[in-house]
Amino acid sequence: QKEVEQNSGPLSVPEGAIASLNCTYSDRGSQSFFWYRQYSGKSPELIMFIYSNGDKEDGRFTAQLNKASQYVSLLIRDSQPSDSATYLCAVSSGAGGTSYGKLTFGQGTILTVHP
Amino acid sequence: KAGVTQTPRYLIKTRGQQVTLSCSPISGHRSVSWYQQTPGQGLQFLFEYFSETQRNKGNFPGRFSGRQFSNSRSEMNVSTLELGDSALYLCASRQYWGGPVNEQFFGPGTRLTVL
Repeated sequence: QKEVEQNSGPLSVPEGAIASLNCTYSDRGSQSFFWYRQYSGKSPELIMFIYSNGDKEDGRFTAQLNKASQYVSLLIRDSQPSDSATYLCAVSSGAGGTSYGKLTFGQGTILTVHP
Repeated sequence: KAGVTQTPRYLIKTRGQQVTLSCSPISGHRSVSWYQQTPGQGLQFLFEYFSETQRNKGNFPGRFSGRQFSNSRSEMNVSTLELGDSALYLCASRQYWGGPVNEQFFGPGTRLTVL
């Protein structure tokens, strides 16, 4: 079982729709959860960070965390063609304070928003 | 505030050579992590440095090494290059070492090609 798994995609949504990206993780000690966006040929860009159960909203983006189910998701409202990219879910465990800097990434979900 | 910078941006080497990559973190950030990104393996953690000390290490052979200087700048070195070392090498910085509430921001990466 992979440590961090994302829905394989690719995911295609029409402009203006809600895109839903999902991620599950295996380490129950995980404490911090990140969503990065990566455009082709570019480096990952941090778009959301969450560490408490529940929802966190930032503009058109909402991250949802459920530690009991070991599940984190990202919703993108009013999707735009410029949102087309690979979305990476990342997790850090922080066991003993030594691992917060180690992010474990999923394989990424390719999102295409078509006009 | 300037972001994470990495040099060089592109590098071509031949098998058996060694290479040194450089990373300057965001001003005020003291922790630097290194990652390797390949199409097959995705993003994988190499190591993390804080206060000139390696704090965490991923599952890579000893050919991969790094160091951090007193100004928080970091270098990573790969000796005896192999074809499989061709990848995008990413540096990420964060402000502190301890604590889960601590986002990582990536630099543009160094694209290494081994011939």
